[in-house]
Amino acid sequence: DIQLTQSPSTLSASVGDRVTITCRARQSIRIWLAWYQQRPGKAPKLLIYKASTLESGVPSRFSGSGSGTEFTLTISSLQPDDFATYYCQQYYSYRTFGQGTKVEIK
Amino acid sequence: EEQLVESGGGLVKPGGSLRLSCAASGFTFSDAWMSWVRQAPGKGLEWVGRIKRKTDGGTADFAEPVKGRFTISRDDSKNTVYLQMNSLKTEDTAVYYCTTDRALCGDCYFGAFDIWGQGTMVTVSS
Repeated sequence: DIQLTQSPSTLSASVGDRVTITCRARQSIRIWLAWYQQRPGKAPKLLIYKASTLESGVPSRFSGSGSGTEFTLTISSLQPDDFATYYCQQYYSYRTFGQGTKVEIK
Repeated sequence: EEQLVESGGGLVKPGGSLRLSCAASGFTFSDAWMSWVRQAPGKGLEWVGRIKRKTDGGTADFAEPVKGRFTISRDDSKNTVYLQMNSLKTEDTAVYYCTTDRALCGDCYFGAFDIWGQGTMVTVSS
């Protein structure tokens, strides 16, 4: 299994802040990484796939970058709806998720 | 509207069995690979397993914790995917989601989960 490690585990931020979450893979997964947002009690929502491609309908303040073993999800200006938990997921070999990053209100 | 609806969750004793169903609508089900993902109470997401479409062999693969105990099957005539869970353990307690597992661009790998069901709760307890 390909292990993914997200950092930080929790992030405190304010509306309008620029936020960056990192996801590191134990081995190269090329560009086969997705990012998801999950609000409490809801199913996850796909934000980004292929490391940097924005899913249709997702606001442009979300962006993804990286390749190989290091990836980032950036929210350029945090909005009230963005306080949630974010997961990375690799699909280079089978599928695994990172442990999640909770973005909370500062 | 593209939609997935899971059913079949409930309370089961350790060692017991349960079959979850996931009914799809609004997209070409036979073209999609399908995955199951679970989330234990207060924990993160965990991939459970995936079944390929028939044209890619229709085979299933599983995460280590469920290998040998869980199976996945699909009925394209009913637009439904199933998760058969046997020899259940208390650590299998979770919300179980089915998801599409698709290639979202021409040169993409399969594996981005773009449509999710609402989830169904499975509780394994004596």
